[in-house]
Amino acid sequence: GAGVSQSPSNKVTEKGKDVELRCDPISGHTALYWYRQRLGQGLEFLIYFQGNSAPDKSGLPSDRFSAERTGESVSTLTIQRTQQEDSAVYLCASSLGPRGEAGFGPGTRLTVL
Amino acid sequence: RKEVEQDPGPFNVPEGATVAFNCTYSNSASQSFFWYRQDCRKEPKLLMSVYSSGNEDGRFTAQLNRASQYISLLIRDSKLSDSATYLCVVNGGGNYGGSQGNLIFGKGTKLSVKP
Repeated sequence: GAGVSQSPSNKVTEKGKDVELRCDPISGHTALYWYRQRLGQGLEFLIYFQGNSAPDKSGLPSDRFSAERTGESVSTLTIQRTQQEDSAVYLCASSLGPRGEAGFGPGTRLTVL
Repeated sequence: RKEVEQDPGPFNVPEGATVAFNCTYSNSASQSFFWYRQDCRKEPKLLMSVYSSGNEDGRFTAQLNRASQYISLLIRDSKLSDSATYLCVVNGGGNYGGSQGNLIFGKGTKLSVKP
């Protein structure tokens, strides 16, 4: 079946602009995760959604970052007033539940000039 | 103490070698454990879940020691295609929602298998 999809695959933006990244999880997956991975670094947790529970936003690095999820489907990650240090691959994953195996999307490569 | 710790490596081994990776985690309430592999410039892919009784999948064996909060991955008869970064993944303890369900990734151990 269809896996996790993300769009756009690549995004180049200018410093100070806002960007919106999209994630379509696997159908029926209640848990959705966003991670950031800078070049040569490990995965950095950003935010986690589980069903109708309040999301865990503890990983968001600043108030410029926000994310929403519509029910148990699409999620968008918004970065306002982008900075060069925001350049990274943003990865989305989903799983059947909070203890399930997570499948990842291919990521969105963000470059802030 | 970091939540999930791994030796970053790199581990450089010849084809056919046996190699073992270790991982420690800090949250004693964690309930789910996984190994993922990540190839260069690709997304992580699930390698295997780790069960309390230990589990094996072909050349790969994973073990969990809850008392020591320690997870291991053993790769036998290494192939060139095993070259990748191996990520140890642990979920927060507890039930649904909040940080307790989050998946926490170690920084990964890099493996390079040489001919």
